[in-house]
Amino acid sequence: KAGVTQTPRYLIKTRGQQVTLSCSPISGHRSVSWYQQTPGQGLQFLFEYFSETQRNKGNFPGRFSGRQFSNSRSEMNVSTLELGDSALYLCASSLGQPNQPQHFGDGTRLSIL
Amino acid sequence: GQQLNQSPQSMFIQEGEDVSMNCTSSSIFNTWLWYKQDPGEGPVLLIALYKAGELTSNGRLTAQFGITRKDSFLNISASIPSDVGIYFCAGGASGGSYIPTFGRGTSLIVHP
Repeated sequence: KAGVTQTPRYLIKTRGQQVTLSCSPISGHRSVSWYQQTPGQGLQFLFEYFSETQRNKGNFPGRFSGRQFSNSRSEMNVSTLELGDSALYLCASSLGQPNQPQHFGDGTRLSIL
Repeated sequence: GQQLNQSPQSMFIQEGEDVSMNCTSSSIFNTWLWYKQDPGEGPVLLIALYKAGELTSNGRLTAQFGITRKDSFLNISASIPSDVGIYFCAGGASGGSYIPTFGRGTSLIVHP
């Protein structure tokens, strides 16, 4: 059974640019969540999508947005990139029921120059 | 919001030693999850716990769901070099939660 797939694995951007990250969940999983991971802040929850709708949202500015497609694949977009956006962005999928464990992809390492 | 305190923050041990780490919460959780993250990879689910008092093993790893439902423990027996990584606990809130609350992680280094 294929796991969660994130593309690309690495990205280098400059300040002010925008970026789109992609996540394909485990087959049958309808919930996709996004996290930002930095050494000092741990795993910070960005948002969760279920059935193409944003169901939960963390405390990130509006520059961070996402969407989910009918096949449950999800994309995350960050506009007007800042140096502080450099991080590992992780996607996790689950069946979407309460307290179901999430399964993570290997992340996209985003570096802002 | 809910807070998870995970300790210790880091551990430096010799190969063969046993390891113990824990997470505590100010709130009751219905689910406790333990993940391991290797460098350059995403967290991998090790053990999931769904009932107070539950004790579950996965090879050399054993985790327990605390009786009070506010804590959980992970033990690793006879550590080996490949146990190196960051271990995260995560709790699912009572009342049904779609998004777990994560601890800050325990960094484990095993010296051969």
